Amino acid sequence: GAVVSQHPSRVICKSGTSVKIECRSLDFQATTMFWYRQFPKQSLMLMATSNEGSKATYEQGVEKDKFLINHASLTLSTLTVTSAHPEDSSFYICSATGTNGNTIYFGEGSWLTVV
Amino acid sequence: AQSVTQLGSHVSVSEGALVLLRCNYSSSVPPYLFWYVQYPNQGLQLLLKYTSAATLVKGINGFEAEFKKSETSFHLTKPSAHMSDAAEYFCAVSTRGNQFYFGTGTSLTVIP
Repeated sequence: GAVVSQHPSRVICKSGTSVKIECRSLDFQATTMFWYRQFPKQSLMLMATSNEGSKATYEQGVEKDKFLINHASLTLSTLTVTSAHPEDSSFYICSATGTNGNTIYFGEGSWLTVV
Repeated sequence: AQSVTQLGSHVSVSEGALVLLRCNYSSSVPPYLFWYVQYPNQGLQLLLKYTSAATLVKGINGFEAEFKKSETSFHLTKPSAHMSDAAEYFCAVSTRGNQFYFGTGTSLTVIP
């Protein structure tokens, strides 16, 4: 079946640096991808919605200049955490829906630790 | 607008006992409803989903959930808990646009 893959699954970066997380749809074209964040012992919160070829729509309280989302192709969306700080340490997970819009798939998630 | 409320952030049951995890939703449109499980340090795994077909939905690992429109509920049940069921469970509601709204999660502990 269709699979959504995230890379890297775990990343540690130094405070002040930027880190990029990729979300790929492996055997379908993902017209829309969603990025979520989960802080320890909390629920998943939607960060932004990205549609291929257009700017992402960010949820209230999410800094678009800090969390750069690019959805340049129908199989790849990237989330770049710029100037990362320890409070950005979190579990980031993406989901993707295909052109029929009937099924949604979640990636495996990426654990980010900022030291 | 859509939202999900999970009653009880922590639930403990004895091994072999009934598991009941509660979920109530609010949706301005006919909802799609989901239950996901998250094991420690892992991603989300879909347990089951309701997409306007049968109101009683059977999922993996012996779990099932019943959609009750009159009660705006989608409670998750399993007749007999197993030690391997210990995990975090999330209820979610989705719009046709596939944007998900998650509940705050319920941590299930299974006591031997």
